[in-house]
This record gives sequence, C-alpha cells and structure tokens, in this order.
Amino acid sequence: DGGITQSPKYLFRKEGQNVTLSCEQNLNHDAMYWYRQDPGQGLRLIYYSQIVNDFQKGDIAEGYSVSREKKESFPLTVTSAQKNPTAFYLCASSISTSVVDEQYFGPGTRLTVT
Amino acid sequence: AQKITQTQPGMFVQEKEAVTLDCTYDTSDPSYGLFWYKQPSSGEMIFLIYQGSYDQQNATEGRYSLNFQKARKSANLVISASQLGDSAMYFCAMREGSVGNNDMRFGAGTRLTVKP
Repeated sequence: DGGITQSPKYLFRKEGQNVTLSCEQNLNHDAMYWYRQDPGQGLRLIYYSQIVNDFQKGDIAEGYSVSREKKESFPLTVTSAQKNPTAFYLCASSISTSVVDEQYFGPGTRLTVT
Repeated sequence: AQKITQTQPGMFVQEKEAVTLDCTYDTSDPSYGLFWYKQPSSGEMIFLIYQGSYDQQNATEGRYSLNFQKARKSANLVISASQLGDSAMYFCAMREGSVGNNDMRFGAGTRLTVKP
C-alpha cells in the first residue's frame, strides 16, 4: 500500500534535547513538507522540499532543521533552539508543487517536551 | 497577510441536512488551486476536493461540492446529507502558481459537529 509513514505517533523529550521526527513516503512524490499544528489552530509550514538535496524554509523554520538525501525520506529535527516545541507535527508529500497537486498527509507525530 | 480566511470557528448541523463551510482567499496570481481537507480527531488530514482557478464548473466529489465564486474570492465547501462521521475539523487551503511560491497555505479551520 502506498502512503506516508510517520514515526513514532507519540514522542516525549526533555527540554534541551534535540529530537528527530521520521517521515517516509513510497508514493514516488518529488515534493515533501513539514507542518506544525498547535491546539485549535491551522497548519503552519516549517520546511518543504521540491526535490532531493533541496529544501526551502517555511514560515516558522527557526529552531528546526531538515535533510532530503533520499526521495522517500524527509526527517525533521527539532533542536533545543525551538522555544515551544510541544505540538502536533504533520508530514506531507505531493507529486510536484504544481497548483493542481494535492498533498497527502501522514498520521502525524505528537511531540511533548517537558 | 492572511491568504486564507475561515470565519467560522465552529458549525453545527443536523444529521441528513446540508451545511456550508466558508472560505475566502487572497491572491493576485491568476493561476491557483484551492483545496479542502478534513481532519478527524485522529489527526490525519484527508483530501476532499480541489478547484482550479481556471475551472469553469464547480468541483464535486460525492457529497462534497465547492461553491467557487472567483470574483468574490470565495471557495465554500458544501456537504450534503450530513453524517455523524462528518464531525471533524475542515481546512481550506490554496496553492499559488507563480514560480518560487510553491507552498500550500491553510486557513485556521472550522470545527463541524453533526447532531443526531
């Protein structure tokens, strides 16, 4: 079955630690995205990648880093520089970044930092 | 500036009735795509329907239809014959066509509750 996998579903970390969230897709999509969602709010774009070895900052990239070494994988690292890391993180992919291409989403990772 | 506006934080509808969720957008790009997503309590985002800026007809997908009024820059989602399983958050989103502006912008969402 084609789709997007995010692991783990729940993640707990201590303040000051870096943490990496996994995102894998087997849809053969070129573009991948990371969003953050806070309770009762919409999605805010952290980073996106149109192609392997290339990525662009979104609206709230500070305190986050990404890599795109393989087409299938787009891991997100939440660094200790991120002031309020506790949130729901959603990964998505699309065939390309054309206006007609909908995004397919993974199940999300709920990160809690204490 | 806010590109996507959803003015209804919450909506209630009786089972089997129709409901309209509002969405207005702001862009000067002549080429753009509008999307609606459903987010159940599980958190996953589910794509519902798409409308292109050059599409002459309103998009429809089963019980979902999009009331596209280009001059008013609105793209309201209509759900017909509501079901209990329709209770969820609904997000409107837009992707613009100009080069270098390839991300998708989401509204704040509307929480729909279907009453039995």
